[in-house]
Amino acid sequence: KAGVTQTPRYLIKTRGQQVTLSCSPISGHRSVSWYQQTPGQGLQFLFEYFSETQRNKGNFPGRFSGRQFSNSRSEMNVSTLELGDSALYLCASSLGGQMNEKLFFGSGTQLSVL
Amino acid sequence: AQRVTQPEKLLSVFKGAPVELKCNYSYSGSPELFWYVQYSRQRLQLLLRHISRESIKGFTADLNKGETSFHLKKPFAQEEDSAMYYCALHSDYKLSFGAGTTVTVRA
Repeated sequence: KAGVTQTPRYLIKTRGQQVTLSCSPISGHRSVSWYQQTPGQGLQFLFEYFSETQRNKGNFPGRFSGRQFSNSRSEMNVSTLELGDSALYLCASSLGGQMNEKLFFGSGTQLSVL
Repeated sequence: AQRVTQPEKLLSVFKGAPVELKCNYSYSGSPELFWYVQYSRQRLQLLLRHISRESIKGFTADLNKGETSFHLKKPFAQEEDSAMYYCALHSDYKLSFGAGTTVTVRA
């Protein structure tokens, strides 16, 4: 079956703009989580959704937001982009988001803010 | 708050030698721990989880609650083990990752 799909693969934006990233989970998976990966900070949790409800949010400013649709697809939005938002954004899905479940990761969206 | 520490950023070993990647955690509850791996130009993927007590690709990891550790071990490293390895703790529907260890296995 198809893996986690993230679009677009690459994005270049300028400071002050906003951006929307998309994630399609594996069919049947209802939990979607987002992570930011940078060389300096490593992998950091952004938020997790299950059945359209956000169950946890990481320590990021309110400019970072997300949502999940009824088909489990998820989007994250970053408004008023800053240079420091340049990163690889990873999406992961799992069946129900339980503690010992395996997460399946997408290839990521590489965001560059100029 | 939970924290995962991987003290080694880089680890270089010869093929056939044992390899051990260290991972320590701090968490007030009962931890759910994982090792994820990222091979060159591939996606981040699960290597093993402590609850399964399994051996994957010859790797094992034992949870030591007394020492709050979850070190990853393999008795005989192979060149295909060269990758980035992340220790992670799952709590409250999120994974907290360590900084990662880059392993290079030399022929």
